[in-house]
Amino acid sequence: DTAVSQTPKYLVTQMGNDKSIKCEQNLGHDTMYWYKQDSKKFLKIMFSYNNKELIINETVPNRFSPKSPDKAHLNLHINSLELGDSAVYFCASSWDNGGTDTQYFGPGTRLTVL
Amino acid sequence: SQQGEEDPQALSIQEGENATMNCSYKTSINNLQWYRQNSGRGLVHLILIRSNEREKHSGRLRVTLDTSKKSSSLLITASRAADTASYFCATDAQGAQKLVFGQGTRLTINP
Repeated sequence: DTAVSQTPKYLVTQMGNDKSIKCEQNLGHDTMYWYKQDSKKFLKIMFSYNNKELIINETVPNRFSPKSPDKAHLNLHINSLELGDSAVYFCASSWDNGGTDTQYFGPGTRLTVL
Repeated sequence: SQQGEEDPQALSIQEGENATMNCSYKTSINNLQWYRQNSGRGLVHLILIRSNEREKHSGRLRVTLDTSKKSSSLLITASRAADTASYFCATDAQGAQKLVFGQGTRLTINP
């Protein structure tokens, strides 16, 4: 069974559209994250949630809105997509927040905005 | 700003040789982690070393941590073609409540 899964794996869309990426973890972890990896492989945290509560919002434009319906799911909705949003988005989870614990990553969603 | 920086950015060696990658960071940490990313895949955790540890081993991996120099190294011994991947260090700056990743070292093992 996949520990951290994301859908879709690839997303190609036009500028201005709204899209969502879904993430689920079956590890029983309390904390989930969204990361953005740019074309230079630089991986940057966007959000973290602990037990459905927002912990980190890393100066991300408010076009990005995470939603955690329960602690096993953390979805990412993006409004009014821009060219600069093109990247690979990774979901991850861990037992504890704060970076003290191993994080388990999903396979990534490659978003291409045309 | 970035906390961790890996060096070199790219490394190409022959199968069987040892590969050493370095990571430097800026602030005090609780722990430092190393992750591997195969092309087109998510990151996979390799090893975690706490700030009060100096060296840790896992199979063919050896990680050292020098908190006085704010640096760490990852050594992969007897490299294999399957070790070809990007390797990232990540640190949890004290009080930051998050992991901060470096830009990674792209390792290529030539058969």
